[in-house]
Amino acid sequence: GAGVSQTPSNKVTEKGKYVELRCDPISGHTALYWYRQSLGQGPEFLIYFQGTGAADDSGLPNDRFFAVRPEGSVSTLKIQRTERGDSAVYLCASSLGGQGSDTQYFGPGTRLTVL
Amino acid sequence: GQNIDQPTEMTATEGAIVQINCTYQTSGFNGLFWYQQHAGEAPTFLSYNVLDGLEEKGRFSSFLSRSKGYSYLLLKELQMKDSASYLCAVRRGNKLVFGAGTILRVKS
Repeated sequence: GAGVSQTPSNKVTEKGKYVELRCDPISGHTALYWYRQSLGQGPEFLIYFQGTGAADDSGLPNDRFFAVRPEGSVSTLKIQRTERGDSAVYLCASSLGGQGSDTQYFGPGTRLTVL
Repeated sequence: GQNIDQPTEMTATEGAIVQINCTYQTSGFNGLFWYQQHAGEAPTFLSYNVLDGLEEKGRFSSFLSRSKGYSYLLLKELQMKDSASYLCAVRRGNKLVFGAGTILRVKS
């Protein structure tokens, strides 16, 4: 398909472990976003990439969270020393250029459960 | 918080019209989006408003008043498949700031 894809769809891990979540954006989209959604809430912004660089990482909750996009396409969100409070659905979105009416298209998300 | 407020839940009857309101803080406003999200699925784009007025797209319309910090999503001829959460999101800079969503239940 031509949409945003995310892997894995579900991830269960133990407290203290390291996890990586992957996002494959729509081909040709230069802007990529990570959001986190807890039950009963709207998505909460984490980080925005324009090309390979993180243009805005103001939403990352602390230094256990890190994201990369080395070739300007696929992105990986990395969480170190996971905590139970990190349990949520992690959504990735991409858009053409990141400006104005530019629409963000979301992937299906990765449901992370930290035991 | 970012103060985007929308009702938590609404119920409407199949075939009817429903209006979902959203209010937001006007500082840093750069456009307003509505998304639909079915349980366990990704948000899907419905509409975008940046100027005052009504944007119509089939059964769905969205209205914006920038001076009042107010928007609504209007759904006409409701169908059972419209049962979902509807998310209001304000663009601030490059990011979207979302409300908590309104769960719409359509009953027959």
